[in-house]
Amino acid sequence: KNEVEQSPQNLTAQEGEFITINCSYSVGISALHWLQQHPGGGIVSLFMLSSGKKKHGRLIATINIQEKHSSLHITASHPRDSAVYICAALLNLTEGSARQLTFGSGTQLTVLP
Amino acid sequence: KAGVTQTPRYLIKTRGQQVTLSCSPISGHRSVSWYQQTPGQGLQFLFEYFSETQRNKGNFPGRFSGRQFSNSRSEMNVSTLELGDSALYLCASSLTGWTGEFGYTFGSGTRLTVV
Repeated sequence: KNEVEQSPQNLTAQEGEFITINCSYSVGISALHWLQQHPGGGIVSLFMLSSGKKKHGRLIATINIQEKHSSLHITASHPRDSAVYICAALLNLTEGSARQLTFGSGTQLTVLP
Repeated sequence: KAGVTQTPRYLIKTRGQQVTLSCSPISGHRSVSWYQQTPGQGLQFLFEYFSETQRNKGNFPGRFSGRQFSNSRSEMNVSTLELGDSALYLCASSLTGWTGEFGYTFGSGTRLTVV
């Protein structure tokens, strides 16, 4: 069982649409990150969340600690937003203070003009 | 300022050999972490070093090891290579690590092919 589940796996949208990508996790976390991987393979760190909500330009990330769920929203989507979006959770393991960084499987987003 | 530099970009090795990959972080960044990315398993965390100490470790066999030098440069070593070790190996650097607000900067990766 994956400790970090991401959905949807693939998402196709028309330019201008509002997009939501979801990430859920099974145990307590210290932090959750959203990453963007471009077609060439380069990865960009978008947000780090431990609570609440963050906004950067057209990107909004939220996290609900009680429900163990985070969402990444893109407003007014554009073809240049096409990429793979990955959530990564720093899971608190039961053994002492060990923490395990675990990635979701990624969401391939394609925004059509 | 210079980004995270990984060398080499591409590498072909034979089963049973060992390999060393290098990562130079952004100047001033003390945290360096390593990841393996494959089509089947996606991104997986290998380990994180902070000020020359391994701070966190993923679920990889002991054939995968790393170290960090006093200038924060890091190396990753894989011994007794297996075909399944073929992957893109990424490193990332940060001022404080995964719980900090500063985010991570990723290198372009080393594409390792084991034949």
